[in-house]
Amino acid sequence: GQNIDQPTEMTATEGAIVQINCTYQTSGFNGLFWYQQHAGEAPTFLSYNVLDGLEEKGRFSSFLSRSKGYSYLLLKELQMKDSASYLCAPMDSNYQLIWGAGTKLIIKP
Amino acid sequence: GAVVSQHPSWVICKSGTSVKIECRSLDFQATTMFWYRQFPKQSLMLMATSNEGSKATYEQGVEKDKFLINHASLTLSTLTVTSAHPEDSSFYICSAASPGQDYNEQFFGPGTRLTVL
Repeated sequence: GQNIDQPTEMTATEGAIVQINCTYQTSGFNGLFWYQQHAGEAPTFLSYNVLDGLEEKGRFSSFLSRSKGYSYLLLKELQMKDSASYLCAPMDSNYQLIWGAGTKLIIKP
Repeated sequence: GAVVSQHPSWVICKSGTSVKIECRSLDFQATTMFWYRQFPKQSLMLMATSNEGSKATYEQGVEKDKFLINHASLTLSTLTVTSAHPEDSSFYICSAASPGQDYNEQFFGPGTRLTVL
């Protein structure tokens, strides 16, 4: 079957760094997306990885290891507005996104 | 990025009535649109995939006669919840994709919160 494994909740301090890990199993693979979702809102795109390695975009970076079925999202210089759920979503062979419940990130001052 | 709108953003209706939700891609042509449902603190659940001009493909467990999807043009898809009941209360989100995009990215609408009394 297809599944996503992410921590349910994480807490970090404003200004710090946090890494959100994701392991996945899919039928085929066409890349992996990370989305941010604030409560009551739709997801917004953060990053896309299809090749192994690190993609850096400002304060956010995303890493992928296809052989390990593993990705992480790294958030630097955390701000209070980063409090949200972070969704790891691999895309399967049918180009469908596979969704887990996401990781709720709580930022404390 | 591309913009997708949804209307209405929230709706309250009586049990037994039907509700139509519109999803529009504002600045690109979306050959494929996706409809999701999300209950509180749960993951997004794909309900159906619709391609312009053809019938929607529904996920297992989703009643196609209850959730009517129409994708009549490259910029508009509609989801109609027929004979809505309180258990249909949820956050409905559409997304749109176009083969011209770099990496099959789905652009999400802002969502529609449906409350059935």
